[in-house]
Amino acid sequence: DIQMTQSPSSLYASVGDRVTITCRASQSISDFLNWYQQRPGKAPNVLIYAASSLQSGVPSRISGRGSGTDFTLTISSLQPEDFATYYCQQTYSTPWTFGQGTRVEIK
Amino acid sequence: EVQLVESGGGLVQPGGSLRLSCAASGFTFRNNWMTWVRQAPGRGLEFVDIIDQDDSRESNVDSMQGRFTISRDNSKSSLYLQMDSLRAEDTAIYYCARILLTTSSTWVFDSWGQGTLVTVSS
Repeated sequence: DIQMTQSPSSLYASVGDRVTITCRASQSISDFLNWYQQRPGKAPNVLIYAASSLQSGVPSRISGRGSGTDFTLTISSLQPEDFATYYCQQTYSTPWTFGQGTRVEIK
Repeated sequence: EVQLVESGGGLVQPGGSLRLSCAASGFTFRNNWMTWVRQAPGRGLEFVDIIDQDDSRESNVDSMQGRFTISRDNSKSSLYLQMDSLRAEDTAIYYCARILLTTSSTWVFDSWGQGTLVTVSS
């Protein structure tokens, strides 16, 4: 199975901060990488697919980069609704594994 | 509007069985791959299984293989998860989601239900 490792596991930030979350795959997954946001008590929703493509309706302050084994999710200016948990996921080979999550909390 | 509504969760004893359902609407169900994802209390997301339009499954998750079976009924726009030999560690919220083939020829879980809670306890 492909292991997905996110860092950090949690972070504290303020509104307006620039935040970057890293996801590393245990083997190359090309650009088969998605990012999801999950707010407490809610289902996840997709932010980024194919490593860098912004899902329709997602604000442009959110971006994704990377290919192969190393990927990043960046929020350029954190807004109150961005405080949530973020997961990366590979769909290169089954099982389509998720990272352990990164919790973004208010400083 | 895409809607996915899970049902069938509840309390079950260890070793017992449960069948989850996911009713889909707002899109042509038979054209999409579908998936189940679970989340144990306070934990992260865990892939369970996927099924393609032709009822072919692709699990490869060791902890669930042989115990969980995904299926679908395209005539009812419904997805199912039959769970047997349940263990305490299967306690989780179970989400169904639609799988979309993207313009980049990758896959993404683009729409999710609100989940159904399964509790395995004596």
